[in-house]
Amino acid sequence: DAGVIQSPRHEVTEMGQEVTLRCKPISGHNSLFWYRQTMMRGLELLIYFNNNVPIDDSGMPEDRFSAKMPNASFSTLKIQPSEPRDSAVYFCASSFEGGPSTDTQYFGPGTRLTVL
Amino acid sequence: DAKTTQPPSMDCAEGRAANLPCNHSTISGNEYVYWYRQIHSQGPQYIIHGLKNNETNEMASLIITEDRKSSTLILPHATLRDTAVYYCIVRAPWNNDMRFGAGTRLTVKP
Repeated sequence: DAGVIQSPRHEVTEMGQEVTLRCKPISGHNSLFWYRQTMMRGLELLIYFNNNVPIDDSGMPEDRFSAKMPNASFSTLKIQPSEPRDSAVYFCASSFEGGPSTDTQYFGPGTRLTVL
Repeated sequence: DAKTTQPPSMDCAEGRAANLPCNHSTISGNEYVYWYRQIHSQGPQYIIHGLKNNETNEMASLIITEDRKSSTLILPHATLRDTAVYYCIVRAPWNNDMRFGAGTRLTVKP
């Protein structure tokens, strides 16, 4: 079991550039989540998908952020254009949703983004 | 707005049990109690969850009071590698927006 895979692990870019973060969920999971963690705001849910469909994107900060899930094994979070205040650690998580109990989310190692 | 209250920090001696408390006095009947931890620079790691019965797995035990207004996560024999921030979260089955709060920073000392 490889767990949730994220790439790149570290990204340094300049203000105004486009940034794309990638995530591969655990095989068999049907829900995928993007979180952002900063010292000021802690861990925040940005968006989540179920069966590749965006269900709740109310946490996406603004139109510069977009997320896609073209298939069950891949998702991207894109920031265009990037700004220094976007500097944070971005986590992807996945879960299997469909049983009578709650659905445990498993997190990836994160991408540390620095926008200069 | 995390719906849980945890002490900001705790220390524990290596080899001893670490007991991490969490208050969730407004928990609803269908909400579960989840525990995660985050070791420095890593993603949050799932530990355990429960509804009303006590639970145990290979990592920890979860004790939930009968009124479900508080719970305790127990690491039976803490090691230096258990030093991390521990998050207590309550959530209903259909609510995927987990509110992590500030958590408890546990430091295990030799």
